[in-house]
Amino acid sequence: GAVVSQHPSRVICKSGTSVKIECRSLDFQATTMFWYRQFPKKSLMLMATSNEGSKATYEQGVEKDKFLINHASLTLSTLTVTSAHPEDSSFYICSAPIPASTDTQYFGPGTRLTVL
Amino acid sequence: SQQGEEDPQALSIQEGENATMNCSYKTSINNLQWYRQNSGRGLVHLILIRSNEREKHSGRLRVTLDTSKKSSSLLITASRAADTASYFCATDARGGANSKLTFGKGITLSVRP
Repeated sequence: GAVVSQHPSRVICKSGTSVKIECRSLDFQATTMFWYRQFPKKSLMLMATSNEGSKATYEQGVEKDKFLINHASLTLSTLTVTSAHPEDSSFYICSAPIPASTDTQYFGPGTRLTVL
Repeated sequence: SQQGEEDPQALSIQEGENATMNCSYKTSINNLQWYRQNSGRGLVHLILIRSNEREKHSGRLRVTLDTSKKSSSLLITASRAADTASYFCATDARGGANSKLTFGKGITLSVRP
């Protein structure tokens, strides 16, 4: 069935570098995707809504220049963490609305980012 | 700020027992959903209940919604060790094309074999 994939599943990088995380919808198109951040044993915090062909909508308190989102096609959204710092270390999860059921979402398996 | 607040935060039960998890929220909603997350993985949608519904069933899952109390409960009957996971409630204020989920803190369920 339809799923959402993320790549990479884990990434370790040095402080100051940029990291790109991909989110793909498989077998279905997603004009909207969502990016969440989850700290250990905590809830998911919505960071931004990715819109195909237009600018992302960021939640309050999320730095748009820090977390760059690009949704260039109907099956791919990317999140780039720029100039990463240790406090950016987290679990990043994307999701896409389930086709014909816009109220529910398929979630990707997540990407564990560790910034040294 | 967190919309959903689940309780208990952790629950440990014996296989075969029922597990009840509660969620409270603060603002009006279009629908409320429950998701499951296995450790270090993504979330899986379990069940959705709309604001005009009071109870829904799906297999071993039963969810109730009391909009007057702004609360919901998820019941897992005849629990299995494989049900061990974290469970999150998520509220959606608008639904449809404007759907956006706000998640609670989650409940860690441990089912002992």
